[in-house]
Amino acid sequence: GAGVSQSPSNKVTEKGKDVELRCDPISGHTALYWYRQSLGQGLEFLIYFQGNSAPDKSGLPSDRFSAERTGGSVSTLTIQRTQQEDSAVYLCASSLLLTYSRGYTFGSGTRLTVV
Amino acid sequence: RKEVEQDPGPFNVPEGATVAFNCTYSNSASQSFFWYRQDCRKEPKLLMSVYSSGNEDGRFTAQLNRASQYISLLIRDSKLSDSATYLCVVIASSSNTGKLIFGQGTTLQVKP
Repeated sequence: GAGVSQSPSNKVTEKGKDVELRCDPISGHTALYWYRQSLGQGLEFLIYFQGNSAPDKSGLPSDRFSAERTGGSVSTLTIQRTQQEDSAVYLCASSLLLTYSRGYTFGSGTRLTVV
Repeated sequence: RKEVEQDPGPFNVPEGATVAFNCTYSNSASQSFFWYRQDCRKEPKLLMSVYSSGNEDGRFTAQLNRASQYISLLIRDSKLSDSATYLCVVIASSSNTGKLIFGQGTTLQVKP
């Protein structure tokens, strides 16, 4: 597609439920990143994919968080047993690996609210 | 200490003013530097890369001081549409993942 697409744009879930967030990167972009932005906070790195593998998952806050990427394209971030502190905007970005030094394109994010 | 630090502001300036934002980074191995702009409830968008020699894009000028580990953004002749949060971003050269490290952002409000 023309840009990075994320779905859903908004998600309200009950505490304890599992959620899946989807990211569809720009076609041909091999690098994919997930970030999280809590209210009034900066962006926090979660995980990096190169192709289908995740060489850096150091930002995942707990084992309730997992992510996968298939076909070198779509990525899914899963949060199990959601907690209220998981409420945030989850942003996905993609880049052609060799051009990352020129910045990335972000999707418009998924706003997750845990009630 | 945060890896990238910015004065959160807010900076309230009148239209036409010149305003400067500063940012410091702690990792001397940082290699790539950027300013991103984020409008309220929107995703960050790349404003400009920052080079050692300094670079300009219209009313925006970015400077990098590697010795002091300091990055700046100057906005001349501010417009109402410049109102946003400006994010200072670095990538460490030790990173082979291109991971962006974000500052918390500086909020600018341009008033008529």
